[in-house]
Amino acid sequence: AQTVTQSQPEMSVQEAETVTLSCTYDTSESDYYLFWYKQPPSRQMILVIRQEAYKQQNATENRFSVNFQKAAKSFSLKISDSQLGDAAMYFCAYRSAFGGATNKLIFGTGTLLAVQP
Amino acid sequence: KAGVTQTPRYLIKTRGQQVTLSCSPISGHRSVSWYQQTPGQGLQFLFEYFSETQRNKGNFPGRFSGRQFSNSRSEMNVSTLELGDSALYLCASSLVPRSSYNEQFFGPGTRLTVL
Repeated sequence: AQTVTQSQPEMSVQEAETVTLSCTYDTSESDYYLFWYKQPPSRQMILVIRQEAYKQQNATENRFSVNFQKAAKSFSLKISDSQLGDAAMYFCAYRSAFGGATNKLIFGTGTLLAVQP
Repeated sequence: KAGVTQTPRYLIKTRGQQVTLSCSPISGHRSVSWYQQTPGQGLQFLFEYFSETQRNKGNFPGRFSGRQFSNSRSEMNVSTLELGDSALYLCASSLVPRSSYNEQFFGPGTRLTVL
């Protein structure tokens, strides 16, 4: 079974600074998708960024980028130029690309990010 | 285009009762998944529906059930409620489940409190 681990329950960053959130996962599959979701106090889950396992290039979305290390099964999220609106719970998630096509996501336990003005 | 809607947003029930939660996916989306979020267990997958068929089920007792209608709207039911069922229940919709990527969009959730 696949597992996702986020070892940082809480992180804090100063506004305009850079922060990196860590995520490791365990799988025996070779093809899968990895995601970072943001859950603000409103509880609405928002997709931040995704990474396809077969792509070596790290995904980037504006101020958000990932460091995907497939061999190490590591998938960290870097937030540059942090803004107050980035304060939220961040979840790392895994989705298999096999198994008859499923949307099932396996989530980590989350990292609560605080942004200090 | 309207997002995923979940009703009701908040619900208070007592132990032993049953509850039905509803999820309306984004127009055109045919796949609906349900997740339970609790402080202790985190986010856990409940089930996934496509074309009125359950495609995948998480590790939850039989008290948890669901269904999907021909218009893709989905409901989940929890019978004989227990205190531990208190949670935020999230619904997510996508076009179709397939091996290639397609984005899932989450609803705002239904907050269930069991007293």
